Amino acid sequence: EIVMTQSPATLSVSPGERATLSCRASQSVGSNLAWYQQKPGQAPRILIYRASTRATGIPARFSGSGSGTEFTLTISSLQSEDFAVYYCQRYNNWPPWTFGQGTKVEIK
Amino acid sequence: EVQLVESGGGLVQPGGSLRLSCVASGFSIRTYCMGWVRQAPGKGLEWVANIKGDGSEIYYVDSVTGRFTISRDNAKNSLYLQINSLRDEDTAVYYCAREGETVAGNYYYYGLDVWGQGTTVTVSS
Repeated sequence: EIVMTQSPATLSVSPGERATLSCRASQSVGSNLAWYQQKPGQAPRILIYRASTRATGIPARFSGSGSGTEFTLTISSLQSEDFAVYYCQRYNNWPPWTFGQGTKVEIK
Repeated sequence: EVQLVESGGGLVQPGGSLRLSCVASGFSIRTYCMGWVRQAPGKGLEWVANIKGDGSEIYYVDSVTGRFTISRDNAKNSLYLQINSLRDEDTAVYYCAREGETVAGNYYYYGLDVWGQGTTVTVSS
């Protein structure tokens, strides 16, 4: 099973600052990686698929990069609505798909 | 509006069963792979199962294999999850989600791009 590891577990950022979230796969997943945002009491929302492609309606301040085993989600200038938990998910080869354990982005 | 609405959750004793349903609106599920993802209280996301548009391929996470059965009725635009032999660790919010689409024989995956609001399953005696 491919294990997805996210870091840090919690990221404290001031509004307007940049946030950089990391996701590492235990073996190569190519570019088959997605990022999701989840706010309390809500379902997750997709942000990025194919490692760097923004989903429909996602603001340009969200960007994804990486391939193979190392991936990054960058939020260029944090807005108040961006404070949430972020998950990466690999979907290479066959299911079961696996998620990272999440990174909570909180207000500093 | 593209939407998924789950139902069927509830409180059940260990060893019991439930059938979760998910009705789609605003699109036809016929060409889409559909899946279930769960989230235990205070925990992260766990992918549970998916089923291709024509039902030809079905996958499960190991922890539910043999106990959970995913199915679909494209005519009713609906997805189901039969969950049997429930355990305490199955307590979670269960989300229905849209996965990839098959178009002209090619499969395209854009992540889990549409999610329902979730239905809560609580296993307790």
